[in-house]
Amino acid sequence: DVKVTQSSRYLVKRTGEKVFLECVQDMDHENMFWYRQDPGLGLRLIYFSYDVKMKEKGDIPEGYSVSREKKERFSLILESASTNQTSMYLCASSRLVPPLHFGNGTRLTVT
Amino acid sequence: QQQVKQSPQSLIVQKGGISIINCAYENTAFDYFPWYQQFPGKGPALLIAIRPDVSEKKEGRFTISFNKSAKQFSLHIMDSQPGDSATYFCAASRGATNKLIFGTGTLLAVQP
Repeated sequence: DVKVTQSSRYLVKRTGEKVFLECVQDMDHENMFWYRQDPGLGLRLIYFSYDVKMKEKGDIPEGYSVSREKKERFSLILESASTNQTSMYLCASSRLVPPLHFGNGTRLTVT
Repeated sequence: QQQVKQSPQSLIVQKGGISIINCAYENTAFDYFPWYQQFPGKGPALLIAIRPDVSEKKEGRFTISFNKSAKQFSLHIMDSQPGDSATYFCAASRGATNKLIFGTGTLLAVQP
């Protein structure tokens, strides 16, 4: 079974802090993704990576950056957290073809 | 043109009934249409998917109906069970990038 592990289930940070969300997959998948889930808005793509050190912006990249130094690990970085970034963050991975395999999410609260 | 519109936002169905969730898209370049199921505290998981060369796909109690000319697709859950209570997301993507565009989700409650 594919396993996508997100390092934190819940995270509480202060406005202005730099926040790191970590994601690790164990299936040697080429693609990795960060989505944000908000009620009534569904899942929105923040960034995705199709190879080590390669990344592309998704639909809502503003205020976020990513890092992929190793194939199995994809980090989402909030350079200066703001209250409007309070949300559920979902990491996913896939081979070059579908489907996507999701982690269980990190619920981030910025106060 | 990148949106996928999903309805209804929430749905209550009696046990044994049929649950129907609808999605519409505008980008005719989309060529992969999955449905994901999400239980509380879990990430979404692929339920069933279809490509536009077929009009229907069935897996157990779950069926996707696809209408290419109307740019619509729907999920039908036959003989709905309380264990089907979850949030369902439709999605669409183009090509091999796996960049899924998700609908806004439908919260399904199946009453015993």
